Amino acid sequence: ETGVTQTPRHLVMGMTNKKSLKCEQHLGHNAMYWYKQSAKKPLELMFVYSLEERVENNSVPSRFSPECPNSSHLFLHLHTLQPEDSALYLCASSQRTDPNYGYTFGSGTRLTVV
Amino acid sequence: AQKVTQAQTEISVVEKEDVTLDCVYETRDTTYYLFWYKQPPSGELVFLIRRNSFDEQNEISGRYSWNFQKSTSSFNFTITASQVVDSAVYFCALSVMKTSYDKVIFGPGTSLSVIP
Repeated sequence: ETGVTQTPRHLVMGMTNKKSLKCEQHLGHNAMYWYKQSAKKPLELMFVYSLEERVENNSVPSRFSPECPNSSHLFLHLHTLQPEDSALYLCASSQRTDPNYGYTFGSGTRLTVV
Repeated sequence: AQKVTQAQTEISVVEKEDVTLDCVYETRDTTYYLFWYKQPPSGELVFLIRRNSFDEQNEISGRYSWNFQKSTSSFNFTITASQVVDSAVYFCALSVMKTSYDKVIFGPGTSLSVIP
């Protein structure tokens, strides 16, 4: 178990569908992140939640809607996506007071928009 | 602004060769962390090492070693006697502390192929 669990691992959705990605961390971390990894592009930070409050939103289109109901769970709600949104979506968590501090990543959700 | 550059896009080596992955960073902050992550084909990013800006000691962990030089803003990663299992994409990253969380900027990654 990695400590950060993402579901589903793979998702294929049509442009008119609505779906949600789920991330759960079992590490007691207080910050959670969504990253997008497209082919041939660097990792892009999408959203940051610290203590369940959104603290950063990097100009992400409104068709992506994050939700953090508690410190252990993070969702990314998707609707009316475009084919260029196909990517690997990675969730991460961190805790600054952790002496072994560093992001812990989930395995990602491979999203394909058709 | 912060930036991480990994000039090597792809590297191929033959098994048992040594390989060094380069990383150059830019930041005006005096306090920061540097990281290396490994991303195997399965997709998950695996944390390898963290180094803070006040600790320039080089580190060795098994076949892995890291050379941090503030004078050249570099944090290079060397794999000794490479193995096929080392084939992956390696990301160098820079973390700048905000008030309540840490913003991590990733480099573009270096894809390493170790050929048997």
